[in-house]
Amino acid sequence: KQEVTQIPAALSVPEGENLVLNCSFTDSAIYNLQWFRQDPGKGLTSLLLIQSSQREQTSGRLNASLDKSSGRSTLYIAASQPGDSATYLCAVRKGGATNKLIFGTGTLLAVQP
Amino acid sequence: GAVVSQHPSWVICKSGTSVKIECRSLDFQATTMFWYRQFPKQSLMLMATSNEGSKATYEQGVEKDKFLINHASLTLSTLTVTSAHPEDSSFYICSARDPYRQAHEQYFGPGTRLTVT
Repeated sequence: KQEVTQIPAALSVPEGENLVLNCSFTDSAIYNLQWFRQDPGKGLTSLLLIQSSQREQTSGRLNASLDKSSGRSTLYIAASQPGDSATYLCAVRKGGATNKLIFGTGTLLAVQP
Repeated sequence: GAVVSQHPSWVICKSGTSVKIECRSLDFQATTMFWYRQFPKQSLMLMATSNEGSKATYEQGVEKDKFLINHASLTLSTLTVTSAHPEDSSFYICSARDPYRQAHEQYFGPGTRLTVT
């Protein structure tokens, strides 16, 4: 059974810092991995999607890496801003007909001005 | 593009009543929609997968007679919580898959906050 864990559970940093969020998964047979942002009481916003054959994806200040063999992904946020404060979720998708997303436990990020 | 809406955004109901939540794909046809539940400070848990025109597939531990899912068209899926109880209070989020986009990406609705009193 696939289990997805995120470390740390919560993180508080001053504005301007670079930071790394970690995601690990137990079954390396994934189709792709996706990072989401969730603001309090809101739905999910997709940030980055990495295919199983890819090593990393970049979008603006965000960079996500994937090491499938070791079951790990990181989300790097450069020059953090107070507007980055949110919960960040990673999710893995298993291949085949199922297309299910298994979500991680989330990291609550607070960027202090 | 790829916008998913949910209605209502929040609802309060009395214990024992039923509540219907709608999920719509606004600018694409979704052959598959997913329903998730999120308890406070917890992650999303998949409840069921619905395919247009067929019965939903429920995850282990989810009561199909309590959480009725109907996916009658390519743009609409509904989740009905029957005989709601306070423990059903949660944040319900749907997502829809656009089969014509790469990577089978799912697009998420804004969620519905259900409070059962």
